[in-house]
This record gives sequence, C-alpha cells and structure tokens, in this order.
Amino acid sequence: DTEVTQTPKHLVMGMTNKKSLKCEQHMGHRAMYWYKQKAKKPPELMFVYSYEKLSINESVPSRFSPECPNSSLLNLHLHALQPEDSALYLCASSQLSGQYYGYTFGSGTRLTVV
Amino acid sequence: DQQVKQNSPSLSVQEGRISILNCDYTNSMFDYFLWYKKYPAEGPTFLISISSIKDKNEDGRFTVFLNKSAKHLSLHIVPSQPGDSAVYFCAALPLRGNEKLTFGTGTRLTIIP
Repeated sequence: DTEVTQTPKHLVMGMTNKKSLKCEQHMGHRAMYWYKQKAKKPPELMFVYSYEKLSINESVPSRFSPECPNSSLLNLHLHALQPEDSALYLCASSQLSGQYYGYTFGSGTRLTVV
Repeated sequence: DQQVKQNSPSLSVQEGRISILNCDYTNSMFDYFLWYKKYPAEGPTFLISISSIKDKNEDGRFTVFLNKSAKHLSLHIVPSQPGDSAVYFCAALPLRGNEKLTFGTGTRLTIIP
C-alpha cells in the first residue's frame, strides 16, 4: 500500500457545524502532515505530527484541531469555521529516519464553508 | 516572505519539445529539493528530487539541475507529452528537520499537441 487516503473527498459545512477530516496511511511513515491549499496558491503547512506527537503548529487558529490517534491515522477536527477557510485540505506522510524522502500526499478534501 | 519562488506562473510548450521549469530559493539552509506535479482537485505527486551535494539528477524524461551558488534549480522534461500538462511545484527541505516542506508558487505547464 503506497497511498494516503483522505475522507471525505468533498465537504460542505455551515459555520456552526462540527466536522472532521480523516487521513490514513499504511506505509509505516512516522510523520504525518496537514496542508491547506487555496486556489492558485501553493500548499501551506498547518500541522506536523512526528511519532504521533504534534511537533509543528504553524500558528493555526484553534477552530482547527488536529489529532493523531495512532501511527496510521490523522484527523483534523473543524468547528466554527469561516467562509475564508474554504480550501483544499491535503494530508501527507513521510518517513523520519534522518534521510530525506519524498512526501506522499493524499488527494485532498475540498472543504466549502457556507 | 516567499522563500521558494517560481517566477513563471505559466508555460506553454509544443508536444515533443523540451519543457524547462525554473525555481529560485532564498534560504541557504535548504538542503534537499523536490518537484511535484499537481492536477486540479488532486494531491501533489512526487516527481524527482535532488540533494544539495549533487548538481544533477535524472529519472527517465525528467532531469533536475541544481545551481547552489545561484540558489536556482530547474526541471527539464524531454520530450514533453500532453499528459505533462499540470501545475508543477518545486519544494525545499532544510538541512535539519525534514518535516517542514516549503513549496514554491507553482508553474502551470500546458503542452500543446
């Protein structure tokens, strides 16, 4: 299995809703990431988990709450989002062994906040 | 502060010709560079990478060149094919901390049949 699987592929939510994005990989990667991509912009790093611990939070608003239940799963809990949070949310994973490896990205969740 | 820049937002190339995509970076701590290809509504797909100790890496139709003194890298695609039409991002990793991948601004490549 060489994939990162993200669900759902599309999500529409109201500003008072609570929803979660899910990400799963079975490549044995010990680092997992959340990126946000707006139209015609590069992906921007939000969070990094290394060995199931949050290692980087790029000053993301608290209405985004990440969770890493185990080494294969990564969630992003969403609450009280704003319309400007509408974007493509990408999950990625990579090895962490002192050497460089290419990240593997999921196909993303297209989020629309109404 | 955009530490990785791709100054050409778009590029059109005739099928069969060479496509050259350029990328510049400002952070001298970047040590490893990657190119990703992205189709709309999909995640980026890894293409090719290069370490700062090399100046060239080749994989099939894709070759990446690194000029460390100029803080410049380029991706060559030969021959270009219609399926190569996509947005291409260069990305960089620092010497220590291979967790923080910084993306360039992207170049939309269109291959003309």
